[in-house]
Amino acid sequence: KQEVTQIPAALSVPEGENLVLNCSFTDSAIYNLQWFRQDPGKGLTSLLLIQSSQREQTSGRLNASLDKSSGRSTLYIAASQPGDSATYLCAGASGTYKYIFGTGTRLKVLA
Amino acid sequence: EAGVAQSPRYKIIEKRQSVAFWCNPISGHATLYWYQQILGQGPKLLIQFQNNGVVDDSQLPKDRFSAERLKGVDSTLKIQPAKLEDSAVYLCASSLVRGPRSSYEQYFGPGTRLTVT
Repeated sequence: KQEVTQIPAALSVPEGENLVLNCSFTDSAIYNLQWFRQDPGKGLTSLLLIQSSQREQTSGRLNASLDKSSGRSTLYIAASQPGDSATYLCAGASGTYKYIFGTGTRLKVLA
Repeated sequence: EAGVAQSPRYKIIEKRQSVAFWCNPISGHATLYWYQQILGQGPKLLIQFQNNGVVDDSQLPKDRFSAERLKGVDSTLKIQPAKLEDSAVYLCASSLVRGPRSSYEQYFGPGTRLTVT
């Protein structure tokens, strides 16, 4: 049974800092790993999708990596900005493309 | 391209009442998911459809929750009767199937916030 864990649960950093969010999963037979952003009271916005044949994806200041052998994915945010403040969620898909979500990392970037 | 649409956005009901949520996925998306997100937690999958067939409903409380996806497009999720612990945000997502394991990227709607009093 797939379990997804995100550490840390909350993070507060000064503006301009580079940061890494971690996502661990128990089932290495993972097809996709998707990172999302969720603003308070809003739905989820897809940031990056890494398929099982890929090791990383990049979009602007965001870079996500996937290491199936160690059961880990990381989301790297470069030069953080106050607008990056949100909850970041990762979700792994296995089996019938059933996605299992982590509990998220609440990020606050201080101006 | 229009996104995933959900309605209503907010709903307040009393316990033991019934409620229904509606979702319209992105055009052409074969897979549709319903999630329940309780405050402070990640979304939990309730049911997954492929076209109009159920792929996974293992975490759907079938004594009170039901869902259907007629004609493989729109979907409704119903709760009857509601309990206090059903207070949550109900999220709908869809994904496009391009072939075995080549996509399944999820796109989410804005969600419906349900409060049961």
